[in-house]
Amino acid sequence: GAGVSQSPSNKVTEKGKDVELRCDPISGHTALYWYRQRLGQGLEFLIYFQGNSAPDKSGLPSDRFSAERTGESVSTLTIQRTQQEDSAVYLCASSLRGQPRRSGANVLTFGAGSRLTVL
Amino acid sequence: RKEVEQDPGPFNVPEGATVAFNCTYSNSASQSFFWYRQDCRKEPKLLMSVYSSGNEDGRFTAQLNRASQYISLLIRDSKLSDSATYLCVVTSLSWGAGNKLTFGGGTRVLVKP
Repeated sequence: GAGVSQSPSNKVTEKGKDVELRCDPISGHTALYWYRQRLGQGLEFLIYFQGNSAPDKSGLPSDRFSAERTGESVSTLTIQRTQQEDSAVYLCASSLRGQPRRSGANVLTFGAGSRLTVL
Repeated sequence: RKEVEQDPGPFNVPEGATVAFNCTYSNSASQSFFWYRQDCRKEPKLLMSVYSSGNEDGRFTAQLNRASQYISLLIRDSKLSDSATYLCVVTSLSWGAGNKLTFGGGTRVLVKP
């Protein structure tokens, strides 16, 4: 697609429920990133995909968080048994490739985010 | 020490004035550098890449100082619309075959009439 698409844009859920957040990156972008941003805070790295594999999952806060990517396109971030501290905006970004190159290849394009509120 | 650090601000800037701020990074092997802009409740968007020789895009000038491990952003003739949070991003080779992007916490700039 023309941009990075995320859904849902807003999600309100009850504590203990599972949620699924979806990211549809720019067509042809092999690198995909998930970040979390709490209100008034900076971006917190969660996970990075290169193609369908995830070289680095070190940012996932706990085993309640998981992510997958299929077909080098859509990625899903799943949060199980949500807690109030999971409330945040979850941002997805994609780039042409994850390899370090001269400027341009590592430029991230972000989606508008999924705002999660856990009551 | 954080890998990428920024003064959170806010920098209160009179309209038309010049403002500059830095971003320091700890990994000397860092390879690429960027400035992103994030408006309130919006996603970050690329403002400009930072080249070794320094670069300019209109009223914005970015510099890289590898010896002291920081990048800077200067905004001339500030406009009200420049009010935003400016995020620096540093990349380095550390994720297997890919690269790691690390964001600073952002510097908030408020331009006032």
